[in-house]
Amino acid sequence: EDQVTQSPEALRLQEGESSSLNCSYTVSGLRGLFWYRQDPGKGPEFLFTLYSAGEEKEKERLKATLTKKESFLHITAPKPEDSATYLCAVLGPWGNKLTFGGGTRVLVKP
Amino acid sequence: NAGVTQTPKFQVLKTGQSMTLQCAQDMNHEYMSWYRQDPGMGLRLIHYSVGAGITDQGEVPNGYNVSRSTTEDFPLRLLSAAPSQTSVYFCASSREGGVNTEAFFGQGTRLTVV
Repeated sequence: EDQVTQSPEALRLQEGESSSLNCSYTVSGLRGLFWYRQDPGKGPEFLFTLYSAGEEKEKERLKATLTKKESFLHITAPKPEDSATYLCAVLGPWGNKLTFGGGTRVLVKP
Repeated sequence: NAGVTQTPKFQVLKTGQSMTLQCAQDMNHEYMSWYRQDPGMGLRLIHYSVGAGITDQGEVPNGYNVSRSTTEDFPLRLLSAAPSQTSVYFCASSREGGVNTEAFFGQGTRLTVV
């Protein structure tokens, strides 16, 4: 069974204080790893898809990286508007089922 | 474009009542799915559909039914609500499933069963 664990559960940052979120996964045959952002009271919003170890993708202050066991979401010089819950999900070798982690709640204070 | 629209946004049910959560998308997406989100447990897949007339079970299907008579609509039915079904429900759609799963989510329905 595919498993995804995200850490930390919550992260408090000062504006400009860079940090990283971790997504550890266990899946037999990863076809894709996905990062989503979720604001309070809203549905998740797609950020990135990573397909193979060594791949990196960037969007504004966010950079996602992938190894064979985990993915990191680096937040560089965060701003208060980066406050959200960040979700990681994996797609295994069969079917269309995404397995999500529990998320990391990020709060960026001005 | 409206994207994915869910109704209602909030609902309170009594144990044993039935109801339907509505989901509609206007992006002509083939793949649609329903998730529930509970604190600390992430999103869990309830049912999904790869096209009109085709549905399949996800991780936690018990107590829920779905149908897909059109590409646009994918309603989720609770047959006899139980307190364990108190959750936030999200509908999602994507152009296709699999590796191209850039899913678009609705705003969610917060359901409380008392």
